[in-house]
Amino acid sequence: EAQVTQNPRYLITVTGKKLTVTCSQNMNHEYMSWYRQDPGLGLRQIYYSMNVEVTDKGDVPEGYKVSRKEKRNFPLILESPSPNQTSLYFCASSFERDSGELFFGEGSRLTVL
Amino acid sequence: AQSVTQPDIHITVSEGASLELRCNYSYGATPYLFWYVQSPGQGLQLLLKYFSGDTLVQGIKGFEAEFKRSQSSFNLRKPSVHWSDAAEYFCAVAPYSSASKIIFGSGTRLSIRP
Repeated sequence: EAQVTQNPRYLITVTGKKLTVTCSQNMNHEYMSWYRQDPGLGLRQIYYSMNVEVTDKGDVPEGYKVSRKEKRNFPLILESPSPNQTSLYFCASSFERDSGELFFGEGSRLTVL
Repeated sequence: AQSVTQPDIHITVSEGASLELRCNYSYGATPYLFWYVQSPGQGLQLLLKYFSGDTLVQGIKGFEAEFKRSQSSFNLRKPSVHWSDAAEYFCAVAPYSSASKIIFGSGTRLSIRP
């Protein structure tokens, strides 16, 4: 089954404790992206990757890191989480040539205390 | 800069009634336009998209949307809603055929009255 898998789905952590949210897709998509969803703000792009070893900042990259060492994986790293990073995070992927049909994971709800 | 506005935060309609969700965009040229749906606890799923050609676009689950250049709008419609349509709906715009440039609206939450 074609899917984007995120882990963990739920996480409560404390300020400053490094964490990684993993994302994996099995559709051989070149493009992958991370979004955060906050009430009233819709989805805002954090980072994206056009292909292996190619990443770029989105609209709200501060406090986040990413890497793309393999085509299927695109982990989101919070080196020192803060309460304002409490949010619902989505990973998405796409064939770039398919012009915008993003396939989303089920989301990871992160709470930073 | 491009932007997309969904003026309705929350809409409630009766089951079987018709639905129209509004979306307005701001962009100098004709953008690529999308509607996504987010069911509770799920990620987003593409309902339909418009790139060019016929301004009335058919999507999945019985939805359609009409692109009106003169009004900079791309409203989503369904003639008869079902309880399973309760979800959050996002309009999105991209300046060209690039997934990396998609911008999402703030969403409209749809509730269905039995």
